[in-house]
Amino acid sequence: GEDVEQSLFLSVREGDSSVINCTYTDSSSTYLYWYKQEPGAGLQLLTYIFSNMDMKQDQRLTVLLNKKDKHLSLRIADTQTGDSAIYFCAESPDSSASKIIFGSGTRLSIRP
Amino acid sequence: DTEVTQTPKHLVMGMTNKKSLKCEQHMGHRAMYWYKQKAKKPPELMFVYSYEKLSINESVPSRFSPECPNSSLLNLHLHALQPEDSALYLCASSLAGDQPQHFGDGTRLSIL
Repeated sequence: GEDVEQSLFLSVREGDSSVINCTYTDSSSTYLYWYKQEPGAGLQLLTYIFSNMDMKQDQRLTVLLNKKDKHLSLRIADTQTGDSAIYFCAESPDSSASKIIFGSGTRLSIRP
Repeated sequence: DTEVTQTPKHLVMGMTNKKSLKCEQHMGHRAMYWYKQKAKKPPELMFVYSYEKLSINESVPSRFSPECPNSSLLNLHLHALQPEDSALYLCASSLAGDQPQHFGDGTRLSIL
């Protein structure tokens, strides 16, 4: 079945780059997403990539997609304290339009 | 700032009460969603409305009753809830069913 996996925790020093990794199982996914959730808040659509792209860059964010290995990554350059949050990787399986399959979320903590 | 507005932000209710959660968007999106999120877990899909018609019900108990009065509004009517229904309830919308979803900040619901 459809599954999205990501590591639960990542700790990064302020100013360094953060790389959050994700693997997924459905090779027919149309979109792959990164959502950010700060404490007590809803989910913010951080960025997304269409399945026919390999890379997308948006200011400090770089998304890399390796379709062969079904691997998605999010790189945050110059990580700041405001980047502390849970980051959810998600896919939109072509077979289940309207449904998003979420990973369990990676908690990013920033140390001084 | 989210363009999906949810009210109220917090709700405490007894198991015999009837209350409603409200969600509003003015982005012209034609698909709207209800999710339930427990602490430290990803959101779980409850309902999907597409063009104001219920298209997906993820086997949600009948004590949760969704309603879509028009293309901008989505309600979730609550009746006779259980303590395990305490959670963050998130609303989302998308241009169409297979497009990226944008979330509101949620309603934090506590059942006494």
